Parts: sequence; C-alpha cells; structure tokens
Amino acid sequence: AQRVTQPEKLLSVFKGAPVELKCNYSYSGSPELFWYVQYSRQRLQLLLRHISRESIKGFTADLNKGETSFHLKKPFAQEEDSAMYYCALYNFNKFYFGSGTKLNVKP
Amino acid sequence: KAGVTQTPRYLIKTRGQQVTLSCSPISGHRSVSWYQQTPGQGLQFLFEYFSETQRNKGNFPGRFSGRQFSNSRSEMNVSTLELGDSALYLCASGWGGIGVNEQFFGPGTRLTVL
Repeated sequence: AQRVTQPEKLLSVFKGAPVELKCNYSYSGSPELFWYVQYSRQRLQLLLRHISRESIKGFTADLNKGETSFHLKKPFAQEEDSAMYYCALYNFNKFYFGSGTKLNVKP
Repeated sequence: KAGVTQTPRYLIKTRGQQVTLSCSPISGHRSVSWYQQTPGQGLQFLFEYFSETQRNKGNFPGRFSGRQFSNSRSEMNVSTLELGDSALYLCASGWGGIGVNEQFFGPGTRLTVL
C-alpha cells in the first residue's frame, strides 16, 4: 500500500540556516512525488514536483529511490518560508499526503 | 481564472445531523477530489469524481458520500455526524485526464460537530 511519512511535525530553524523537511514513501512502482505548501490563511498550493526538477522559492527536492525519500531542502531559510509543508505521492488519480511538517523560521 | 470555491466556509452541526458541502471547480476542470484535514492526521483522501462518476475512494465509512453534476460541481454529504467528523474539508480540482494532474485546492469548509 502507498504511504507517505513525514517524521517531523514541527521544525524550527533560524533565518539563514539550512532547512531540510523529510519525506519518506512506500510505493512499489515509479512514484510521482510532490511538495505542497500552506501559508497562514492561504490555500494549499503546489510548491514543486519531482518530475520538473525545478527550484521554487529556493527549494529543491531530490527523489532518492534507493532510500525511498523525497526530502525538501533550502540552503538559507527565510521568515516567509514559515508554513505547513505536505509531501504527496500520486498514483492512479489519487494523491496520498503525509501528515505535514510545520516549518517555523525564527528571526 | 477564478479558483476553486467552497460553500459554506463554516458550519456548526450537532451529533446525528447530516451536512452537505459544495465545491465549484476551476472552469474546464473535470476532476474533483475531497479531503479531510485534521491536525493529527493531516490530509486524508475521501473520494474523487470525474465526469460525474466516482473514480477513486478512500477509507472512510459509508456515511461519507458525494456526487458530481454535469457542470463538474460536486457535493459531499456526511450523514449521522459524529464528534470526530469535525475537520476542515478541502476540495481540489484538476483536469483529470491521463497522466499526473496538478490539484488546485479550495479554501475549505470548516465543520464543527457539537
């Protein structure tokens, strides 16, 4: 069965520090993975998808099939990055979301 | 282009009642998915409708049901409400065609069951 695990409920870092939000998945095929973000009082929105291999707002995520991970990274966190982050796996028109990690970037 | 809209935004009900939530997708989107969001469980998939047919279903009891109309608008119904049904219910729309589809989320309906 497909499952997405985000082990950290809360991650606090100082502004300018590197940040890594962890995501592990269980899926036997070739996964399609996403990161969604929800800023305070805003809608859940797509941050990036692994097939695009792009950097959005300084964030990148690399799919590691050997470790079944899709960690989200940013070298220098900004206060405006404070939000709830969800990792999601897509399979047959269905999204499986992790429980989310709240990122708090302190000044 | 207008985003996904959900009505009502807030609802307060008592145990045993039933509730209907509505979702209007982005124009042209034919897929509508529903999720339950709670602090402890995160987002849990309820079901997905595509062209008026339920295409996918999550692991929720039969008290949770939905439907989609010919204009792609969707409704979700919860019967015999329980305290544990208190949550933010999110609707997301997408093209729904072959391949991976980005989902666009609505603002949600906050349901409180007393």
